[in-house]
Amino acid sequence: GDSVTQMEGPVTLSEEAFLTINCTYTATGYPSLFWYVQYPGEGLQLLLKATKADDKGSNKGFEATYRKETTSFHLEKGSVQVSDSAVYFCAFNKAAGNKLTFGGGTRVLVKP
Amino acid sequence: SAVISQKPSRDICQRGTSLTIQCQVDSQVTMMFWYRQQPGQSLTLIATANQGSEATYESGFVIDKFPISRPNLTFSTLTVSNMSPEDSSIYLCSVELAGGRAQYFGPGTRLLVL
Repeated sequence: GDSVTQMEGPVTLSEEAFLTINCTYTATGYPSLFWYVQYPGEGLQLLLKATKADDKGSNKGFEATYRKETTSFHLEKGSVQVSDSAVYFCAFNKAAGNKLTFGGGTRVLVKP
Repeated sequence: SAVISQKPSRDICQRGTSLTIQCQVDSQVTMMFWYRQQPGQSLTLIATANQGSEATYESGFVIDKFPISRPNLTFSTLTVSNMSPEDSSIYLCSVELAGGRAQYFGPGTRLLVL
């Protein structure tokens, strides 16, 4: 069945370190892929998205590339800040109007 | 994107009671959804709120437990009925804007059932 697998956390980094969160998906067809971020005590915010193979989504210094051959959508940021401490969720949907299928979330803690 | 508000933002309830959560959007949207996020867990879709017709529920969720209303294109409610401690979760509404596939989430309602 459809699913998203992302690396378990917590991921603890020092400020200005490089961040990678791995995400792979299992889905038929051509899903759209998303990364959402949940800051402490808040709801989910859309961080970035990609709708077709080889698309690169980017926002706030974060990037992720839709790799259909490896069914992956890894999130990267070159230099993290303390304010990037949050839980990051990888997700997809298979069509407009369809539910989002989420990964388990990865908690990231950036220390000064 | 869209501006989405939810009421209440949090509540503490006694078991056996019911709570109705409101979701308001600042623009008309076709698709509205209700998700549950149990403590320390990911999000699970409860149902799709359909305007003018009954909601479409996911496996494991039933209308008697989670009745949903969608009277217009900007508003929806989710009721958590006959609550038990296992219903303690964050409940989030989301919307999908026309022409897109991303969903935008409200701030969530944090529910604690004692």
